[in-house]
Amino acid sequence: GEEVAQTPKHLVRGEGQKAKLYCAPIKGHSYVFWYQQVLKNEFKFLISFQNENVFDETGMPKERFSAKCLPNSPCSLEIQATKLEDSAVYFCASSQYSGLGSYGYTFGSGTRLTVV
Amino acid sequence: QKEVEQDPGPLSVPEGAIVSLNCTYSNSAFQYFMWYRQYSRKGPELLMYTYSSGNKEDGRFTAQVDKSSKYISLFIRDSQPSDSATYLCAMSDSNSGYALNFGKGTSLLVT
Repeated sequence: GEEVAQTPKHLVRGEGQKAKLYCAPIKGHSYVFWYQQVLKNEFKFLISFQNENVFDETGMPKERFSAKCLPNSPCSLEIQATKLEDSAVYFCASSQYSGLGSYGYTFGSGTRLTVV
Repeated sequence: QKEVEQDPGPLSVPEGAIVSLNCTYSNSAFQYFMWYRQYSRKGPELLMYTYSSGNKEDGRFTAQVDKSSKYISLFIRDSQPSDSATYLCAMSDSNSGYALNFGKGTSLLVT
């Protein structure tokens, strides 16, 4: 399809519970990026993939966050033992080329995670 | 100091006005410059993409990049109520794996 599909749209977890978010990139796009948007539009880069390989994970909090992109499956972002500070909207974006080409990234609609 | 600075506004203009939005940045390695529009509770939508310096026009939108001043702008002509949204600048370079560095976004209201 021509859109990046993120599920679920909303997720509520009690502090300490696990959260798992999914992203289906646009067909034919090789690069997937995860961003976290917190207060006042602050976007933070988390991790990127080139197909199923990690491309850049410099933004990833290593202790509780993990991500995968496996062949023929949606990409996933998992947070173990969620904390209140993890409450945010998590966006996935995909791109055909690492160098962005003429099209930049296409973003999904996001998953709003609320940790209570 | 954040790498990308953007005035959060809000900016309120009458319908038909010309809107000027801008960002400054500190990392001279940035080569790719983008403007995204984000409506409430939606994902960012790419409006304009520019590689390196120069101007780019697309309909009512014009993007300008001045690398010598580390300054980028987005102009919206004949603004419409449907342009009311948050506008985010974003930039990237090949050395950082093309991860986007976003400004905080400017909230625009066209009445």
